[in-house]
Amino acid sequence: NAGVTQTPKFQVLKTGQSMTLQCAQDMNHNSMYWYRQDPGMGLRLIYYSASEGTTDKGEVPNGYNVSRLNKREFSLRLESAAPSQTSVYFCASSGTLSGETQYFGPGTRLLVL
Amino acid sequence: AQSVTQLGSHVSVSEGALVLLRCNYSSSVPPYLFWYVQYPNQGLQLLLKYTSAATLVKGINGFEAEFKKSETSFHLTKPSAHMSDAAEYFCAVTLRGTGNQFYFGTGTSLTVIP
Repeated sequence: NAGVTQTPKFQVLKTGQSMTLQCAQDMNHNSMYWYRQDPGMGLRLIYYSASEGTTDKGEVPNGYNVSRLNKREFSLRLESAAPSQTSVYFCASSGTLSGETQYFGPGTRLLVL
Repeated sequence: AQSVTQLGSHVSVSEGALVLLRCNYSSSVPPYLFWYVQYPNQGLQLLLKYTSAATLVKGINGFEAEFKKSETSFHLTKPSAHMSDAAEYFCAVTLRGTGNQFYFGTGTSLTVIP
């Protein structure tokens, strides 16, 4: 039981390059989330998917797109990376109801030069 | 919008001393409340959560937190700090009946001095 997995663990991009961060969960959760973590700012929600086939913007969606590929997988795409997107990205999953624990992946460290 | 305030971005305690990490929320309705811990270069791990069953919640590694509605607080405590407690701690809140979107505090970095 791997929980939430993320790939890659670390990535360096040049400004303007694109990439996709992958996330998968094996807990049969309906809801999945993408956060970014920056020093002194905690975790901020980028996008979330309450259930397969739906996605919604979070607090900081600009510059990102997401795809809920199936119930297990939720990807985050940066179409044209900017230095301001240098961050640590976390994927999480949970049940649908309020108050259910969110389970986090190990994170992807992204450096945009 | 919901907000969570963690007072003190850095807290230092001596090994064996009381750990107190503060969290206050803004909500007219008691929300669900969570404490997560993050060790260096790792993801977030649930310490404990409040879902209204009991106001004093016990978690892993000897941590506990008390929900105080009158103070809109959910402070995290541990009677005796251990070196292994050094980590970043995050308080989070989600509203009842509105899906499961979390709002995180900015985090408190705990240093344990030997």
